[in-house]
Amino acid sequence: EVQLLESGGGLVQPGGSLRLSCVGSGFAFKNYAMNWVRQAPGKGLEWVSAMFGGGGGGGTYYADSVKGRFTISRDNSNNILYLQMNSLRVEDTAVYYCAKDRIAMTTVTALDSWGRGTLVTVSS
Amino acid sequence: EIVLTQSPATLSLSPGERATLSCRASQGVSNYLAWYQQKSGQAPRLLIYDASNRATGIPARFSGSGSGTDFTLTISSLEPEDFAVYYCQQRSNWPPVTFGGGTKVEIK
Repeated sequence: EVQLLESGGGLVQPGGSLRLSCVGSGFAFKNYAMNWVRQAPGKGLEWVSAMFGGGGGGGTYYADSVKGRFTISRDNSNNILYLQMNSLRVEDTAVYYCAKDRIAMTTVTALDSWGRGTLVTVSS
Repeated sequence: EIVLTQSPATLSLSPGERATLSCRASQGVSNYLAWYQQKSGQAPRLLIYDASNRATGIPARFSGSGSGTDFTLTISSLEPEDFAVYYCQQRSNWPPVTFGGGTKVEIK
């Protein structure tokens, strides 16, 4: 069974930093593109970032709203996806989900497994 | 950036009724469109990928159709557990991957 478990959320002041983690199990983590998707309170889904797996050379991609502030990375030895978030803004407040792509060894297609999410609150 | 517009914003129906949800793209996305269901307090769940293919374990009452710019998610007969918010998502021209604003299917 595929499982994704996020951690690292919390309350941070504007301008601060947080690092989110997502541990994957039940699948060949290194082979899949992995994504971060966020959802502000009461709002819809917003894709944040993706990192390719083995078939995509580890390429990284970002939404314009986070480019230059957030960094996605992964540790394939330990099946962990990270999101380093710097220069946080009030508008970054959201539940952050880790999500796995449906197909191995390719780019982003559809997200077939999601974690439960971790809440990031940016407030003074 | 491709914008996905979902309609209606809210759909009020009774169990057993047919639900028809629309997703329109600002430019053609071929068949690179997925649908997700999200229940309150839960993570989204993939229902349909590549416009018309049901994901693993998804009941046959869910079906997707369309290509290019106009797509439809149909729930043939609503079950009590189907009342939720539904999102479409495109991956034709990315980054960014984009989602629609969602359609809430509520009990009438």
